[in-house]
Amino acid sequence: QSVLTQAPSASGTPGQRVTISCSGSSSNIGSKDVNWFQQLPGTAPKLVIYSSNQRPSGVPDRFSGSKSGTSASLAISGLQSEDEADYYCASWDVSLNGWVFGGGTKLTVL
Amino acid sequence: EVQLVESGGGLVQPGGSLRLSCAASGFTFSSYWMSWVRQAPGKGLEWVANIKLDGSEQYSEDSVKGRFTISRDNAKNSLYLQMNSLRAEDTAVYYCADPGTGYWGQGTLVTVSS
Repeated sequence: QSVLTQAPSASGTPGQRVTISCSGSSSNIGSKDVNWFQQLPGTAPKLVIYSSNQRPSGVPDRFSGSKSGTSASLAISGLQSEDEADYYCASWDVSLNGWVFGGGTKLTVL
Repeated sequence: EVQLVESGGGLVQPGGSLRLSCAASGFTFSSYWMSWVRQAPGKGLEWVANIKLDGSEQYSEDSVKGRFTISRDNAKNSLYLQMNSLRAEDTAVYYCADPGTGYWGQGTLVTVSS
């Protein structure tokens, strides 16, 4: 049981916009920023959004993030087949003094 | 270029021990909290433990408390995880990482099985 809650799956067709949500509590998302990671099969996670809404260099501007209260969202517009991957949200938890992750959302591009 | 290279994984019997190492380069290692994050086969990411910049504070998730110990040697730019009393449910790929900056290693597989 993950501390942060994500839907296990999402899907969209090429060119579409999809949103992945992440729900937490006051001890994590409610008081700290959210990072989003993309994980392709057999590879390490890759940061796609940091500080809730910032994109690292090299990440397409099709990826965007937002946060409100104890929830956060990752949006991918202009969906491409290469976006098919698992996506995880993460936040620092002030009660645990450690990181908490969502259970992951498997994005399928139909 | 930032690099985190883990080593020390392998097959171990239940109740056994392993020590994972992580060699860091390409950034000022001593300026970052560091973590171990694991991923069981087919499962999601799970934070295991972290350690403060100078090693003076360590925190871990409940299931590994008293069994796993995280440590670091800033002079060697290295992070460690001593794992004792290993259980089947500890089987996972273990990543050396700082989820705050997005620095991740490639992972090392730990398999606990008789």
